[in-house]
Amino acid sequence: QSVLTQPPSASGTPGQRVTISCSGSSSNIGSNYVYWYQQLPGTAPKLLIYRNNQRPSGVPDRFSGSKSGTSASLAISGLRSEDEADYYCAAWDDSLSGFVVFGGGTKLTVL
Amino acid sequence: QVQLQESGPGLVKPSETLSLTCTVSGGSISSYYWSWIRQPPGKGLEWIGYIYYSGSTNYNPSLKSRVTISVDTSKNQLSLKLSSVTAADTAVYYCARRMPVAGTHGMDVWGQGTTVTVSS
Repeated sequence: QSVLTQPPSASGTPGQRVTISCSGSSSNIGSNYVYWYQQLPGTAPKLLIYRNNQRPSGVPDRFSGSKSGTSASLAISGLRSEDEADYYCAAWDDSLSGFVVFGGGTKLTVL
Repeated sequence: QVQLQESGPGLVKPSETLSLTCTVSGGSISSYYWSWIRQPPGKGLEWIGYIYYSGSTNYNPSLKSRVTISVDTSKNQLSLKLSSVTAADTAVYYCARRMPVAGTHGMDVWGQGTTVTVSS
């Protein structure tokens, strides 16, 4: 049972815009930054979004992040076949001595 | 550019201690936080813990009693020890670097991961 809640699956057709949600609580998303990772099949995760909506160098601007209260979203516009992957949200959780929490992941299928 | 490489036994017996090493190349281990993350087969990511190059650590509360993360700056390596393993510890284990941005917990450089199976 993951601390952050994501839908297990999402889908879209090429060119479409899709969003993936991530729900948390006041101790994690509500008071800390949100991060998004993309994991292509058989590979290590890759940082897509940091600090809620910042993109590391090299990440296309088709990927965008937002946060409101205790929820966050990842939006992918102009969907491409190579975007088919698992997407994970993450945040710092202030409870206990603090630790990183992940969502359970969303498998994105490009139809 | 910085690259990370995990290494260690691919098979560990139940109740024994899992030991992995992550070698940092192309850059210094100093001045950064480093993480271990794992992913059971077909499942999501689980953060194990951080270590700062100075040696200070922070662990996932669910694993804290069994985990030790250490760093050897002379070898540019960090290590993970997980004691009393069970089949539930079977996973791909990744090491990763925390972004060098204050107050940020994003991990921007990852190793390729190493698969550890717990079985007798």
